[in-house]
Amino acid sequence: SQKIEQNSEALNIQEGKTATLTCNYTNYSPAYLQWYRQDPGRGPVFLLLIRENEKEKRKERLKVTFDTTLKQSLFHITASQPADSATYLCALGGDYKLSFGAGTTVTVRA
Amino acid sequence: EAEVAQSPRYKITEKSQAVAFWCDPISGHATLYWYRQILGQGPELLVQFQDESVVDDSQLPKDRFSAERLKGVDSTLKIQPAELGDSAMYLCASRPGTANEKLFFGSGTQLSVL
Repeated sequence: SQKIEQNSEALNIQEGKTATLTCNYTNYSPAYLQWYRQDPGRGPVFLLLIRENEKEKRKERLKVTFDTTLKQSLFHITASQPADSATYLCALGGDYKLSFGAGTTVTVRA
Repeated sequence: EAEVAQSPRYKITEKSQAVAFWCDPISGHATLYWYRQILGQGPELLVQFQDESVVDDSQLPKDRFSAERLKGVDSTLKIQPAELGDSAMYLCASRPGTANEKLFFGSGTQLSVL
C-alpha cells in the first residue's frame, strides 16, 4: 500500500540555522509534491509545489528538492526564525488526489 | 483575501448524537474536499466533490457519515451517530479545479465526542 513518511522526531533548532525535513514515499509515483505549513488548531497553508520533472524549487528562505529515483523530497528552511515554528506537511499528488504525510514539528529557539 | 469558511469552529457532543459541519469554499472553486485529521497525524481524505458530484468517497465511513454539495457551492458533512473515535479536526479545502494546484484550507471544526 502507499506510504508517506516524514521525520518521526520533532526538530529543535537554533535561530539562524537551517532546518532540513525529509519526506519519503513508497508504492507511489506522484506527479507532483507539495509542502504545507500548519499551526496548532489551524488548517494547513500551502508553501511550495514541485513537479516530478523538477529537481529543485525555491521561495524566499525555503527550498524543496524532489528525487523520484530515491522517492524522497527534502524541505529546507534557511536562516530559520522563531516564527517558522510549526508543523510541516508533505503531500503527494496525482490526478485529482492529494495524500498527506503525518508532518514534522519544527521548533526554532531564539 | 478570500478564505474557505467553516462552522462551527468547535463542537462537543455525546456519542450516538448527530453532528453536522458546514463549509463554504472560495467563490469559483469547483473542487471541494473534506479531510479528517487526528491529533499527531496528517489529514486523511474523506470525500471529494467536483461541482455537485462526488469524485471520491472511498474512505468515507458510509454507515455513519454523509456529505452533500447540492448546488455545487457550499457543503455539509454529517455524522450520525457519532462515536468516540470520531474525535478529530475536520478540515474543508477547495481549489479551482486544475489537478495540480494548491489547496486552500479552512480553519477546521474541532470535534470532541464524549
